[in-house]
Amino acid sequence: GAVVSQHPSRVICKSGTSVKIECRSLDFQATTMFWYRQFPKQSLMLMATSNEGSKATYEQGVEKDKFLINHASLTLSTLTVTSAHPEDSSFYICSAREEAQPQHFGDGTRLSIL
Amino acid sequence: GQSLEQPSEVTAVEGAIVQINCTYQTSGFYGLSWYQQHDGGAPTFLSYNALDGLEETGRFSSFLSRSDSYGYLLLQELQMKDSASYFCAVDSGYALNFGKGTSLLVTP
Repeated sequence: GAVVSQHPSRVICKSGTSVKIECRSLDFQATTMFWYRQFPKQSLMLMATSNEGSKATYEQGVEKDKFLINHASLTLSTLTVTSAHPEDSSFYICSAREEAQPQHFGDGTRLSIL
Repeated sequence: GQSLEQPSEVTAVEGAIVQINCTYQTSGFYGLSWYQQHDGGAPTFLSYNALDGLEETGRFSSFLSRSDSYGYLLLQELQMKDSASYFCAVDSGYALNFGKGTSLLVTP
């Protein structure tokens, strides 16, 4: 079946550090990739949607200058959390979909900012 | 806007059948998805209903009624490993909008 690879699975770093998370679709071409954030015991909240070769569309309240998204190819999207602070600590999950197919999720990245 | 309602918690015994309901209000609807998420893990796709009716995949079935803006996930022959959170999500054709999740606890 469809596989989405997300890396790294866990990051622990100091406040002020920038962190890059990669999301790859391994056996299909993802026309769209999505980035979600999930705080403990809460639902997944969509942060942004990215289509290959175009700028990401951010949800209301998500700072695009803080959460940089690049979708360089049909199989790779990256999320960079710039100058991360403790309040950015969360579980970040990407997903990818082919045209008219369900979304499939990566394994998530647990980000802890000290 | 969009909103989804599902129960916050459900408890059932091993071997039993449990149904998790989901009602939604949405301005655009392509289908209803269900995802399972274990503690510390990422969501795993379970099912997708675009049309009315029942979709069966092994022990899990999902139902959709578009006219009632309602769906459910049915889990049969419950196993301890089924203890997890279950999310319904509306596919608006653009992105998924998730419900708050139902925490299922399966007891011996």
